[in-house]
Amino acid sequence: AQTVTQSQPEMSVQEAETVTLSCTYDTSESDYYLFWYKQPPSRQMILVIRQEAYKQQNATENRFSVNFQKAAKSFSLKISDSQLGDAAMYFCAYRSYNQGGKLIFGQGTELSVKP
Amino acid sequence: EAQVTQNPRYLITVTGKKLTVTCSQNMNHEYMSWYRQDPGLGLRQIYYSMNVEVTDKGDVPEGYKVSRKEKRNFPLILESPSPNQTSLYFCASRVAGNSPLHFGNGTRLTVT
Repeated sequence: AQTVTQSQPEMSVQEAETVTLSCTYDTSESDYYLFWYKQPPSRQMILVIRQEAYKQQNATENRFSVNFQKAAKSFSLKISDSQLGDAAMYFCAYRSYNQGGKLIFGQGTELSVKP
Repeated sequence: EAQVTQNPRYLITVTGKKLTVTCSQNMNHEYMSWYRQDPGLGLRQIYYSMNVEVTDKGDVPEGYKVSRKEKRNFPLILESPSPNQTSLYFCASRVAGNSPLHFGNGTRLTVT
């Protein structure tokens, strides 16, 4: 069975600086998707970025980018120029191509942004 | 506006009193699912549905039931709630294929 691990329960960053959130996963599959979701205090689940495993190029969305290391099964999220609105819980998630499309989530990392 | 709507947002109930959390999506999505979120555990899938009248268990289905009689609705039923079902619940949907999940705004359930 696949697992997703976020080893940093809490992280803190100064406004305007860069922070990297870690995520590792375990799978025997070669094709899958990886996601980062943001959950602000409103508790909405907001998709931040996604990566298809077959793509070697790291995904980027404005200030958010990932470092996808398939062999190492690592999928970290980098937030550049951090803003106060980035403060939230961040979840890393894995999705197989099959198995009903279930998302497997990590435990979450609570990010705080200091002004 | 395309959305997944869950109701209620907050619910406090007592052990054993049957309840239903409703979920409706207006995007004509085939796939719908329910997750529960607990501190330190992330979100875990309870049940999912690939289409009308097709449902299957996720990772934590015990104590829950679902039905998918119409494409837009996917209610979560707790026939006899227990305190260990106190949690934050999310409904989500997507089209078939590799599109991402759209989540509802969550239902905070407390069972005393």
